[in-house]
Amino acid sequence: AQSVTQLDSHVSVSEGTPVLLRCNYSSSYSPSLFWYVQHPNKGLQLLLKYTSAATLVKGINGFEAEFTKSETSFHLTIPSAHMSDAAEYFCVVSDQRGNKLTFGGGTRVLVKP
Amino acid sequence: AAGVIQSPRHLIKEKRETATLKCYPIPRHDTVYWYQQGPGQDPQFLISFYEKMQSDKGSIPDRFSAQQFSDYHSELNMSSLELGDSALYFCASSVSGGSNTGELFFGEGSRLTVL
Repeated sequence: AQSVTQLDSHVSVSEGTPVLLRCNYSSSYSPSLFWYVQHPNKGLQLLLKYTSAATLVKGINGFEAEFTKSETSFHLTIPSAHMSDAAEYFCVVSDQRGNKLTFGGGTRVLVKP
Repeated sequence: AAGVIQSPRHLIKEKRETATLKCYPIPRHDTVYWYQQGPGQDPQFLISFYEKMQSDKGSIPDRFSAQQFSDYHSELNMSSLELGDSALYFCASSVSGGSNTGELFFGEGSRLTVL
């Protein structure tokens, strides 16, 4: 079984500042990890994924996440927050077959002008 | 590029009624997943289908059933609706195996409101 914990339910930042979204996971196997973003009343969009290759993963729009096995973490960094980055971000782990995703509780990001 | 299409986008039903949600996966995707996201909650896995066969089952109530058809579209049938079924229902699709394992493409969801 796997589980995901997002350490912050809400994060508020000023436009242009970096954002760190923290995620810890638990898995009995080498996991595939993902970050998804959900804008209000929209579907889930994949930002990036880790599948046992490079530990620093780069995604769309300059987002990047670092996998640290020793800390069972997969933290996401937004280098410079834009107003359009205001959304809910989900850290996700897939099961061993890649069939079933387990979502973290989500982190809602608020960007202030 | 074509995305996952869900219909209807919004649905309002009374308690004890029945609802059907439809999902059309991305062309050439052979696996379909259903997720339920309650208000303020993270998405919860309900069920998945691969090549028209159920491949995995999550926290889907017995009142719900789903299937995948020969054209790979899927339908989620919900009967005896309860207030607690009010949620955003996501469908996702993927190709099985290979480098895309675990990468799901989500539709924009169908919002069900039960009154």
